This record gives sequence, C-alpha cells and structure tokens, in this order.
Amino acid sequence: TVMTQSPATLSVSPGERVTLSCRASQSVRNNLAWYQQKPGQAPRLLIYEASARATGIPDRFSGSGSGTEFTLTISSLQSEDFAVYFCQHNEGWPWSFGQGTKVEIK
Amino acid sequence: QVQLVESGGGVVQPGGSLRLSCAASGFTFSSYGMHWVRQAPGKGLEWVAFIRNDGSDKYYADSVKGRFTISRDDSKNTLDLQMNSLRPDDTAVYFCARDNPVCAHWGQGTLVTVSS
Repeated sequence: TVMTQSPATLSVSPGERVTLSCRASQSVRNNLAWYQQKPGQAPRLLIYEASARATGIPDRFSGSGSGTEFTLTISSLQSEDFAVYFCQHNEGWPWSFGQGTKVEIK
Repeated sequence: QVQLVESGGGVVQPGGSLRLSCAASGFTFSSYGMHWVRQAPGKGLEWVAFIRNDGSDKYYADSVKGRFTISRDDSKNTLDLQMNSLRPDDTAVYFCARDNPVCAHWGQGTLVTVSS
C-alpha cells in the first residue's frame, strides 16, 4: 500500500488552522497513524486508529478519515508545531509511511 | 518511563554485515511487539521490520527481506537487527520502536553508513 501526503510543504503563521492530507492506494480501513518529527529527534506518535490521540497529545491535534482518505488537523498552530508530519498505515504487512509534509513558518 | 537505546551502528563496506541492538527498559518487554524503522539522511521514514511479543511472527519490508533478520531476547530485554549483504541505500538512522498502539515509543536511533 502506497501512502501519499499532500502538500509536501505548508507555509503557515502561528495561530492558523492547518489541514494535512494523506491518501492510501487501497483501503486501510481506520488503521492510520500520524507522527510528528522535529530536526534531530525521533518521531512522536500523535494519532492512531485514524482519530485517537496518543497519550499526552494536546487536543488541538485531531485526525479523521477512513478507507483511503485521511486528514490531520491542527486547530491553532503553535510555535512548537513547526515540524514534519508523517502518516503511516498499519493495515496488513508490510506497513508503510507517507513521504511527509513539512509545516514551516510563513 | 519507557526507554529505548539503540547501539551497533557504524561504517561498513558494501556487502558487509552489521548487527544493531536496542536495549529496552521501563516496561514489560516481553508483552510488546517491537519494530525497526529507518530514515535515510534528509529523507522520510521507512518501516523495516516487526517481531511479535512472543517472537512467533516476523515481518519485513520488501527492500530488506532475505537480508535482514529481526530477533529478541526477553531475558535481556533486547531487540536485535542482523543486517547482511548491506548496500549503499541501506545508509540510514535506524530506530527501534515499541508497538501498541503502532510505533508508540521510539529510541533516538543509531546511524549506519554503507560506503567503501
């Protein structure tokens, strides 16, 4: 299953609402996770099962979708949210990641 | 708290072998499946391999199948990745990650460079 994220880069201002997209080449049901990665750091799990927030993740992060179309929304972008975001499916083996969306300061 | 520490990275020639280890602490290691995920310099994430908590099932990315072997030692709380027939495109930071849900906890990674 190929995961495709869009856009590749998003330039936004703090406080703005941000929507990231992830598309699967075939249905992954709700078996979709989102990760955040900052430079020089390991990824951090944000969302699993398409819409469940991982432990300690602020509620400004939300996930939605099922089947082949998924969205990660950040309701009001904070300075610490500038990072790269990856989606990943876990519907059958092998798992795969999208290529990432970089959220940068406008 | 959950802690995962990778080791074993380094520089290896094409065709060579390397064994990575991941030391786990802060949780009951034998209760969780474990993953290896890699990231080539400046690139995205690539899932590499998974082993179930009891070692009964192992899964691999097509790019490493037949060359890499994932294993675990629950008596030592360690996860290993034996990498053979290494190629330049295996150059990456290799992360271990704890499952449930998905890759919930990550180590800081160890760098593997395949170069002559």
